[in-house]
Amino acid sequence: ETGVTQSPTHLIKTRGQQVTLRCSSQSGHNTVSWYQQALGQGPQFIFQYYREEENGRGNFPPRFSGLQFPNYSSELNVNALELDDSALYLCASSLGGTGGNQPQHFGDGTRLSIL
Amino acid sequence: AQSVTQLDSQVPVFEEAPVELRCNYSSSVSVYLFWYVQYPNQGLQLLLKYLSGSTLVKSINGFEAEFNKSQTSFHLRKPSVHISDTAEYFCAVSFASGGSYIPTFGRGTSLIVHP
Repeated sequence: ETGVTQSPTHLIKTRGQQVTLRCSSQSGHNTVSWYQQALGQGPQFIFQYYREEENGRGNFPPRFSGLQFPNYSSELNVNALELDDSALYLCASSLGGTGGNQPQHFGDGTRLSIL
Repeated sequence: AQSVTQLDSQVPVFEEAPVELRCNYSSSVSVYLFWYVQYPNQGLQLLLKYLSGSTLVKSINGFEAEFNKSQTSFHLRKPSVHISDTAEYFCAVSFASGGSYIPTFGRGTSLIVHP
């Protein structure tokens, strides 16, 4: 089975720019979650998509937005980039939507650096 | 807000010694509990999970964790560690929130195994 893949692996942007990160979920998984992991910290939940709709959101401003496509792949968009947005962005897929009892399968992440 | 606390940021041990990584969470309501491991420059991998039933859960590589509802804890243990266990370990809890479950991660514990 194909695991979770994320692209790009690394990205450098400047303040004020916009960025789109992409994620292909594991085969058969219908739920995708996005996390921000700052250096030395645990992953912080951004939001989750289930069947193309936002299913839950963490404490992130509206300039963080996302999409899920019919094939369950997903995008994370961040507008008006700030220096504090520099982090590893992780995508995780799972099966089951709102249940919360399904383990998540993570990609290797996109390292975003803001100059 | 719900929280997950990993009390130790770093745990150094010698090879073949026992180890315990501690995890406490803030809520006594129904939760699902997970431990993930992260190797350098990689995403997170599921180590083990507690959903219901027996409070002691085990992984295939010798780790185990015990759910203690009264103490709201889910500590991870291994009786004899190997050099290859050196990694970052994250405790994660799915808390019920408005009809869905929001996953919350601790800040991680770095397990350093010395020869």
